Amino acid sequence: QQPVQSPQAVILREGEDAVINCSSSKALYSVHWYRQKHGEAPVFLMILLKGGEQKGHEKISASFNEKKQQSSLYLTASQLSYSGTYFCGTEWAAGNKLTFGGGTRVLVKP
Amino acid sequence: DAGITQSPRHKVTETGTPVTLRCHQTENHRYMYWYRQDPGHGLRLIHYSYGVKDTDKGEVSDGYSVSRSKTEDFLLTLESATSSQTSVYFCAISEWKGQAYNEQFFGPGTRLTVL
Repeated sequence: QQPVQSPQAVILREGEDAVINCSSSKALYSVHWYRQKHGEAPVFLMILLKGGEQKGHEKISASFNEKKQQSSLYLTASQLSYSGTYFCGTEWAAGNKLTFGGGTRVLVKP
Repeated sequence: DAGITQSPRHKVTETGTPVTLRCHQTENHRYMYWYRQDPGHGLRLIHYSYGVKDTDKGEVSDGYSVSRSKTEDFLLTLESATSSQTSVYFCAISEWKGQAYNEQFFGPGTRLTVL
């Protein structure tokens, strides 16, 4: 089952914040976050393992809520370079392959 | 950048013809994956490999086969291409480290059009 990402799209002004959620109906073992710019390959941002660990990448951070089976990606003080499509990839057990969500399109305007 | 290439980068073919896409890596990573990307569907796993000659199906494997005879090469074959297989195909590699898979590195993609 594909994880569900919300919102599907968000438009921000430079400097604004946004949150992207990734929810699963199955218990999660890990969540991966990737960003893809138009016409390019997805690029890895971070991995979170179950346990509520929070990680950061520049001004992008993420959390993992084991009880809710949800991960949230936080875009803080967004920059133009944050524009792109963000994908979460979920792993339901150690050693399982990733299943990706449908993506969230982010557009940061000046 | 991870050493991962895909060939061809673009291909136009006709319905019913066989097509083979190649993924080549220089990282010596054990795990390799083929995904397809279509609007509204994100990245969907077609097949993956966890070692030479060890492969398994993903969620959209019908109509596709794979082979891995060397660590560095992972081939995706469409035995008889159909218009529904028009898509962008990405190869990815990863390695297992400790508790979980390490990050996946993606190749540049192959844009396939089946007429």
